[in-house]
Amino acid sequence: TQLLEQSPQFLSIQEGENLTVYCNSSSVFSSLQWYRQEPGEGPVLLVTVVTGGEVKKLKRLTFQFGDARKDSSLHITAAQPGDTGLYLCAGRHAGGTSYGKLTFGQGTILTVHP
Amino acid sequence: NAGVTQTPKFRILKIGQSMTLQCTQDMNHNYMYWYRQDPGMGLKLIYYSVGAGITDKGEVPNGYNVSRSTTEDFPLRLELAAPSQTSVYFCASSPRLSSYEQYFGPGTRLTVT
Repeated sequence: TQLLEQSPQFLSIQEGENLTVYCNSSSVFSSLQWYRQEPGEGPVLLVTVVTGGEVKKLKRLTFQFGDARKDSSLHITAAQPGDTGLYLCAGRHAGGTSYGKLTFGQGTILTVHP
Repeated sequence: NAGVTQTPKFRILKIGQSMTLQCTQDMNHNYMYWYRQDPGMGLKLIYYSVGAGITDKGEVPNGYNVSRSTTEDFPLRLELAAPSQTSVYFCASSPRLSSYEQYFGPGTRLTVT
């Protein structure tokens, strides 16, 4: 079983602060995805990182895939109340028989106070 | 532009009752997935399907059954509901194996008492 450990589980910060969420595993994934989920809705994909060491930026969000493709991080600069939500990392299993199956981390509940 | 739809949105079941959670997608996606999400936990894969007539177990299949008679529909069946099945259930779809994105429905919140 491939596990993804996500930390921290809860994060409560003030508007304008920076934060980093971590996603770690002992297993190698073919790709790593980050989703954001609003209350009462399903997760929505933010980004996919595929190559070891890859860095992607989405406005104030920076995503990084570890060199060994076992870990990833999400960094938010100058957080805003609109960033509040549940952030999930998900690793895609490698191999032709994986059929795109994902293993999800436990999630990070982010609250940004005005 | 409906995407992935799920019904019902909420349901309360008594222990031992049965029900079917409906999932329909209008994007002609081959791959479909059922997940459950417990409080403070990520999503766990229950069952998945790679096309009509083809299904397979995920990480937590016990107590559930699925069928896939059409490309559009992927219902999840609970035969004998147990309190441990209280959870939020999400259906997702993906167009092809090489596609990274899974499109999620809004979820069904199920309580078993």
